[in-house]
Amino acid sequence: QVHLLQSGPEVKKPGASLKISCKSFGYNFTNFAINWVRQAPGQGLEWLGWINTHNGNTNYEHKVMGRITVTTDTSASTAYLELRSLRSDDTATYYCTRDGLQLVDDALDIWGQGTMVIVSS
Amino acid sequence: LVLTQTPLSSPATLGQPASISCTSSQSLVHSDGKTYLSWLHQRPGQPPRLLIYNISNRFSGVPDRFSGSGAGTDFTLKISRVEAEDVGVYYCMQTSRFPLTFGGGTKVEIK
Repeated sequence: QVHLLQSGPEVKKPGASLKISCKSFGYNFTNFAINWVRQAPGQGLEWLGWINTHNGNTNYEHKVMGRITVTTDTSASTAYLELRSLRSDDTATYYCTRDGLQLVDDALDIWGQGTMVIVSS
Repeated sequence: LVLTQTPLSSPATLGQPASISCTSSQSLVHSDGKTYLSWLHQRPGQPPRLLIYNISNRFSGVPDRFSGSGAGTDFTLKISRVEAEDVGVYYCMQTSRFPLTFGGGTKVEIK
């Protein structure tokens, strides 16, 4: 069954760094791009970044540029989100989600279960 | 590229239709001629799930009471007969260009 499994919840102090993993199951990992999206408590969805899992090309949201790095380990069919210099407003649930490409005209068709991140002193 | 959804909240009656609008600040027509506008549904405590892609195509397993329409900058999601499981927040989203963006969301609740 096609799904994405994310790492567990995190509690971080301001200024620290975060690294979340997203492992894919049930499909060829390098055939589909991965996006990262977050949702602050009670708020809407915010796109953070994208990675072409085949060649490693990335694209990031300007708001987090300089603090974010998205990488992959293709041998482990896993994508990673790293966010540095954490602030309280980075507190959110973080989702990885697959770009379904030609299957669904680039819509985000598969979502991980989410990783809750709390940034607090 | 800003997506504006209306209404913010939609009290719905079971068995009755409901409609959500999404307006883009720019045309979502890609250079390849396609329009990469999709709709997502999120129930409380769950990740979003894809409902509609490319304006009007239902994703696998989505009931046919859901339909999407529109073109250019104006899009609509319609539920022909609201069921209890349809509660939650609906988001439009564009994947025509980076940065990808979402509408602010429309909360559907049963009256």
